[in-house]
Amino acid sequence: GAGVSQSPSNKVTEKGKDVELRCDPISGHTALYWYRQSLGQGLEFLIYFQGNSAPDKSGLPSDRFSAERTGGSVSTLTIQRTQQEDSAVYLCASSFRRDRGTDTQYFGPGTRLTVL
Amino acid sequence: GNSVTQMEGPVTLSEEAFLTINCTYTATGYPSLFWYVQYPGEGLQLLLKATKADDKGSNKGFEATYRKETTSFHLEKGSVQVSDSAVYFCALPTSGTYKYIFGTGTRLKVLA
Repeated sequence: GAGVSQSPSNKVTEKGKDVELRCDPISGHTALYWYRQSLGQGLEFLIYFQGNSAPDKSGLPSDRFSAERTGGSVSTLTIQRTQQEDSAVYLCASSFRRDRGTDTQYFGPGTRLTVL
Repeated sequence: GNSVTQMEGPVTLSEEAFLTINCTYTATGYPSLFWYVQYPGEGLQLLLKATKADDKGSNKGFEATYRKETTSFHLEKGSVQVSDSAVYFCALPTSGTYKYIFGTGTRLKVLA
């Protein structure tokens, strides 16, 4: 079946512009994660959605970052007034969330964001 | 809180060499432990996992044993291939949440 998809695959923007990154999770997966992968760094957790519950936003680095998930499926990560330090690969993952802490996450290919 | 420390790379090996990538953790209780792999140009994918202490996860010739005595989950493979060239990430969930902590990744390059 189809995996997690993300769009665009690459995004180049100018400092100060807003960007939207999209994630389509695997059908039926109730949990959705956003991560940021900077060069030479591990994955940095950004936000977690589970069904209709309030999202865990504890990883968002500033109030310029926001995310929503519509209808329990597609998610959009928005970065307002982008800065050069926002340049990174943004990864989306989804899972069934059967049991706390044992789920396998399925990752999308990522969106490479470059802020000039 | 929970944390993970992964050996730094890059690791360069010749084909058929033995591979070890170290991963140690600190955690409350005994959380599941994971290894994910990112092949060039692809997204991360689960390589193997162990859900309780003393378990061994295995896949594609790779193995890792959940050792609570040494709080380690080292990744091993007896004979690497060029196709194993990738970045490997150790991961575990944070205590009491659905968030996961990933190591910084270890890049493996296997030469023919």
